[in-house]
Amino acid sequence: GAVVSQHPSWVICKSGTSVKIECRSLDFQATTMFWYRQFPKQSLMLMATSNEGSKATYEQGVEKDKFLINHASLTLSTLTVTSAHPEDSSFYICSAGGGIGYEQYFGPGTRLTVT
Amino acid sequence: GDSVTQMEGPVTLSEEAFLTINCTYTATGYPSLFWYVQYPGEGLQLLLKATKADDKGSNKGFEATYRKETTSFHLEKGSVQVSDSAVYFCALSEGQAGTALIFGKGTTLSVSS
Repeated sequence: GAVVSQHPSWVICKSGTSVKIECRSLDFQATTMFWYRQFPKQSLMLMATSNEGSKATYEQGVEKDKFLINHASLTLSTLTVTSAHPEDSSFYICSAGGGIGYEQYFGPGTRLTVT
Repeated sequence: GDSVTQMEGPVTLSEEAFLTINCTYTATGYPSLFWYVQYPGEGLQLLLKATKADDKGSNKGFEATYRKETTSFHLEKGSVQVSDSAVYFCALSEGQAGTALIFGKGTTLSVSS
């Protein structure tokens, strides 16, 4: 089956620093990747949609200058949290859609803790 | 806009009990419907799906039937196991491949032996 990886799985950073999270589709080409944010015991909230080679589309209320998304190839998308603050601490999950019907394949998530 | 409503949790059951997690949706078109499962500390895994009315998705003993007349996609399992303890998310996707999923809030299932 389709496999999506994320790296790192867990990261702690200091307030004011930037953190990059990678999302890779390992065995298929993902024309579209999605970034979600999940707060404890809550659902996933879509942050942005990225298509390979074009700018990401951000959901309302998501700061595009703070959450930089790059989808440079059909197998890699990155989310950079710039100037992180404690309120950015969350579980970030990416998913990839490869045109295999309507399915999306999810990465295992990255837990970000900002101190 | 489109939305998904799941029953509030947590759901606590004994092993071998029958499970139902209700899910209803609101959509303007004809969405595809999904159930995803999230085990502790892990990402989401697709459990089952249905792409048109009256379709039944099934996997690992779980079933859900796409009911257009009641806009529902309830998840059922005849006999749960401790290993089924997880958070279950109902979701829909309306449109073509590459459309983001809309999730319900999730239902936590806890099964004890």
